Amino acid sequence: DAGITQSPRHKVTETGTPVTLRCHQTENHRYMYWYRQDPGHGLRLIHYSYGVKDTDKGEVSDGYSVSRSKTEDFLLTLESATSSQTSVYFCAIKGLATSETQYFGPGTRLLVL
Amino acid sequence: GENVEQHPSTLSVQEGDSAVIKCTYSDSASNYFPWYKQELGKGPQLIIDIRSNVGEKKDQRIAVTLNKTAKHFSLHITETQPEDSAVYFCAAKAGGGADGLTFGKGTHLIIQP
Repeated sequence: DAGITQSPRHKVTETGTPVTLRCHQTENHRYMYWYRQDPGHGLRLIHYSYGVKDTDKGEVSDGYSVSRSKTEDFLLTLESATSSQTSVYFCAIKGLATSETQYFGPGTRLLVL
Repeated sequence: GENVEQHPSTLSVQEGDSAVIKCTYSDSASNYFPWYKQELGKGPQLIIDIRSNVGEKKDQRIAVTLNKTAKHFSLHITETQPEDSAVYFCAAKAGGGADGLTFGKGTHLIIQP
């Protein structure tokens, strides 16, 4: 998994509660991404980061926020979880700015009741 | 934005036969096309990728072809083996300043013994 860990790996929460997922990398890569995977949709980009404190929105960013205060950690927050945010969340990293190759973490399975 | 279509959604082949998965993309400025393999409960793993300045790339039993004029690319797996059974995703990286990958919806490849 290219030195990427995600925590927690599984989480069950209730509608309306805030949830934070963590992605941690040991490779000192500049670029980090959050995707969600749902049946019939493949993977869709939520947010990404191109450096400490530098983030941007992806295709499905509504209801999510991110923060990156250190190179190694990229946090995804569901400000008020909804059932539509039940999904598997994957973090990915990309090394060099001139390389497009992304490597994915093991994923976090989130269930919002 | 970019849109990636992937076919078929399910593909069943006899062990030893070849498998072909096809994808089309919409943004003519897209310049990078990776293929990922995902096993149950794991994150996607890059198996091969191709850039827009190359028409074909091969790595042992796996090959990818790209037709920029028609805006489609294909994954070819020869001499399929039971361990090739998985879900395969194609993706495209849009040109310009946008970052992140746009994924197809996946193909479930089943290798029949």
